[in-house]
Amino acid sequence: DAMVIQNPRYQVTQFGKPVTLSCSQTLNHNVMYWYQQKSSQAPKLLFHYYDKDFNNEADTPDNFQSRRPNTSFCFLDIRSPGLGDAAMYLCATSTRQGAETQYFGPGTRLLVL
Amino acid sequence: AQTVTQSQPEMSVQEAETVTLSCTYDTSESDYYLFWYKQPPSRQMILVIRQEAYKQQNATENRFSVNFQKAAKSFSLKISDSQLGDAAMYFCAYNSNAGGTSYGKLTFGQGTILTVHP
Repeated sequence: DAMVIQNPRYQVTQFGKPVTLSCSQTLNHNVMYWYQQKSSQAPKLLFHYYDKDFNNEADTPDNFQSRRPNTSFCFLDIRSPGLGDAAMYLCATSTRQGAETQYFGPGTRLLVL
Repeated sequence: AQTVTQSQPEMSVQEAETVTLSCTYDTSESDYYLFWYKQPPSRQMILVIRQEAYKQQNATENRFSVNFQKAAKSFSLKISDSQLGDAAMYFCAYNSNAGGTSYGKLTFGQGTILTVHP
């Protein structure tokens, strides 16, 4: 089945130690999104790619970066994780920009010690 | 900027009964879509139903239907014949199709936790 896959499902890192989260998709969608979701809150968009065009949200901290080497893969890099970065990170895809349905992966839960 | 408000932090329903989750939104745009997403305890966000603003007919997906009142900017979700598997956090979301800085970005409400009692 076509899907959005996130690895790992759980990630533990140390304060200040860089970490990379991975997202892949078999839907061949043009747009990929990264959201941060803290406990009992709504997801918050960090950035998205439309093909290779990177779009950063104005309030996304510089500590967060992303790479999209090809259509299928997208990575979220947290350069120096702080305790406040502990959250669920959700990857989503859509066929194109605009009000298209976004399809979500299962998420990666990040714990910062 | 668009805002989405879910005024019910928690709701509960008996199995086989009907429950309605409320959502209101604020926008000056005319071209947009509205969504209800379900997030079970396993945390994967799943699309429940989608409504295009230019369509007057309310969307329906099996036991799930919406009451879309465009003038009132209201978008409620009705779940009929509730099942134990419906228990989850439900998010109402808005997506702009009108270009500009909000184009293609989901704006979520705060969520409603639905509990289903056997």
